[in-house]
Amino acid sequence: DADVTQTPRNRITKTGKRIMLECSQTKGHDRMYWYRQDPGLGLRLIYYSFDVKDINKGEISDGYSVSRQAQAKFSLSLESAIPNQTALYFCATSDFSFRAGVSYNEQFFGPGTRLTVL
Amino acid sequence: QQQVKQSPQSLIVQKGGISIINCAYENTAFDYFPWYQQFPGKGPALLIAIRPDVSEKKEGRFTISFNKSAKQFSLHIMDSQPGDSATYFCAASPNSGYSTLTFGKGTMLLVSP
Repeated sequence: DADVTQTPRNRITKTGKRIMLECSQTKGHDRMYWYRQDPGLGLRLIYYSFDVKDINKGEISDGYSVSRQAQAKFSLSLESAIPNQTALYFCATSDFSFRAGVSYNEQFFGPGTRLTVL
Repeated sequence: QQQVKQSPQSLIVQKGGISIINCAYENTAFDYFPWYQQFPGKGPALLIAIRPDVSEKKEGRFTISFNKSAKQFSLHIMDSQPGDSATYFCAASPNSGYSTLTFGKGTMLLVSP
């Protein structure tokens, strides 16, 4: 977990506020991801980036935006937070490779940010 | 929408028993099936993974069984211990350089002493 850090770890905010969650990694991986975790819904992909110039929407991108400031930094923003964005947010990284025709793409997760929107 | 369906949602097993978690998928392009383990307050971490060229993979007390024709795979935890209490996620992805993981909804496992 120490290789992928997330700040803040906990945040309480009010409806309508703009909030940014930050992720930094020292693993040297090109690929970074943002997920949210809700009880009973598992891990859902919000946005992902395969390199610094690449940004892709995931399954549930509405209401979120991201910025890939550098290979090591990937931030998630909620422009106008709403209560149903209350969740546990995870950043992850991966180092994709192909060996002998087989892809390897293990994801390494940060410790998470617990966000509460009142 | 690509899906991976996971069951049960929660599971209680006595110490020493066998824990079994099942997953089913629809997309025949999936060819990488990892399991992630998440302890409370932590991020998920890769536990074990399998590819469809084998029907079973074992690492210590953890075994993945894979049935390609049924499009199902399962995690078996032998001799379950209280320290195995965690949330387990199955996942799947195609063998593509531009793919992402599709996760199941998770199973909360509690191993009672």
